[in-house]
Amino acid sequence: QVQLQESGPGLVKPSQTLSLTCSVSGGSISGGYSYWSWIRQPAGRGLEWIGRIFSTGSTTYNPSLESRVTISIDPSKNQLSLALNSVTAADTAVYYCARATESNWGDWYLDLWGRGSLVTVSS
Amino acid sequence: EVVLTQSPGTLSLSPGERATLSCRASQSVTGNFLGWYHQKPGQPPRLLIFGVFRRATGVPDRFGGSGSGTDFTLTLSRVEPEDFGVYYCQQYDSSPWTFGQGTKVEIK
Repeated sequence: QVQLQESGPGLVKPSQTLSLTCSVSGGSISGGYSYWSWIRQPAGRGLEWIGRIFSTGSTTYNPSLESRVTISIDPSKNQLSLALNSVTAADTAVYYCARATESNWGDWYLDLWGRGSLVTVSS
Repeated sequence: EVVLTQSPGTLSLSPGERATLSCRASQSVTGNFLGWYHQKPGQPPRLLIFGVFRRATGVPDRFGGSGSGTDFTLTLSRVEPEDFGVYYCQQYDSSPWTFGQGTKVEIK
């Protein structure tokens, strides 16, 4: 079955760029009809949707982060990537990658999640 | 953006009791584009319900979703010990996709 695994540095300095990768196994990131998303969760708090990318490369971002975020896919590596620049302590969170699948009724739901990657922003 | 407000903040229940979780949207969520997720500590969220009332694969039928417009409900007909954790509603009707702040379910 399809599995997602996030990876990247656990510690990033303020003002630098946070970079994470999500490796997709058991299926193709560019095959099928899926959105791939990044969601984050500060410790003890709720979930914030960062953005999504369609298998064709089309992106949509949360306006609250749009000026700092880039989501991309690399079909040759079957990977999804997240880059968030100019980070501050407020960006400290567990970052999840997730797949959104379209139902038979036309809605998209996040049916598959990675286990998450904790990123701490600190000097 | 659509703001989702969940209530109550915490539910403390005994096994076998019924749980009713509410999710209220700041504007109408059209197309039944609302889902519910369950998260246990140290784990990613797990999809329970999509399209307001459709159970995801493998989700027990004690979980039920209902509602329309701005008011949605997740019902657990008989709470089991493994149902503890935090429940989140999410709308994917409009961008940005947004989540509620969560309802914590504690098992007595």
